[in-house]
Amino acid sequence: KAGVTQTPRYLIKTRGQQVTLSCSPISGHRSVSWYQQTPGQGLQFLFEYFSETQRNKGNFPGRFSGRQFSNSRSEMNVSTLELGDSALYLCASSLGGTGRQSDGYTFGSGTRLTVV
Amino acid sequence: DAKTTQPNSMESNEEEPVHLPCNHSTISGTDYIHWYRQLPSQGPEYVIHGLTSNVNNRMASLAIAEDRKSSTLILHRATLRDAAVYYCILQGDDYKLSFGAGTTVTVRA
Repeated sequence: KAGVTQTPRYLIKTRGQQVTLSCSPISGHRSVSWYQQTPGQGLQFLFEYFSETQRNKGNFPGRFSGRQFSNSRSEMNVSTLELGDSALYLCASSLGGTGRQSDGYTFGSGTRLTVV
Repeated sequence: DAKTTQPNSMESNEEEPVHLPCNHSTISGTDYIHWYRQLPSQGPEYVIHGLTSNVNNRMASLAIAEDRKSSTLILHRATLRDAAVYYCILQGDDYKLSFGAGTTVTVRA
C-alpha cells in the first residue's frame, strides 16, 4: 500500500514569507501528526488532527498552524518565516480512534524547509 | 511529559543480537511504550509498541519490566541495515510522541 506522502520534498523560502506543506496519510488512517526535526532540538511535536479536529498541540508559536480535510489529508502552514524555522518537517499517520488502544505511526520522508 | 532515558550509542556485530535498554521510571499506567528508528535522511520508522506484556513482531521483540519502569528492545540478528538512531517513546492519552535523543546503533560487519 502507498505510504505517507509529503510534498514538496524540498523548499527554500525567504524570511517573512509563509509556506504551506502537504501530507497525504495512508488510506484509512484518520489521524495525522506533524513534527519538526532540527539538529539542536531533535524531533518535536507540532500538532495532531483526527477527523478534521485538532486534538493536541505542541509548544510552538501561533505562526504554526494546520488543518485536516475530510479525506484526512492535512496541511500545515507557517507564517512570517524566521531563520530558525529551517528544519525537516515530518508528518505521521495512524488509524487513530478514541479508544485506549494505541497503534503505530507511519512517517513520511518529510519536507526539508530552508529559510534564507 | 513522561521521560525516557537511553544510552547515547551502542555497537554491535553483524548477525549478533542487540539489546537496547530504556528507562521510564515516571511512566503512568496508561502510557504505551513505542520504539521507532530513523535512518539518515529518512523519517522515523515504526518498530514495535506495547503496554504491559512482551511483544514480538517480524522486526524485533519488546521486553517490558514487570513494574513497567524499564523496557528493552531486542533485535535478534543485527544486519548492516539496522544501523540507525533508535527512539524509545512513551505515548500517553494526548496522542503525541515525545522523542528524546535516542540511541545511535552502529553495526560492524
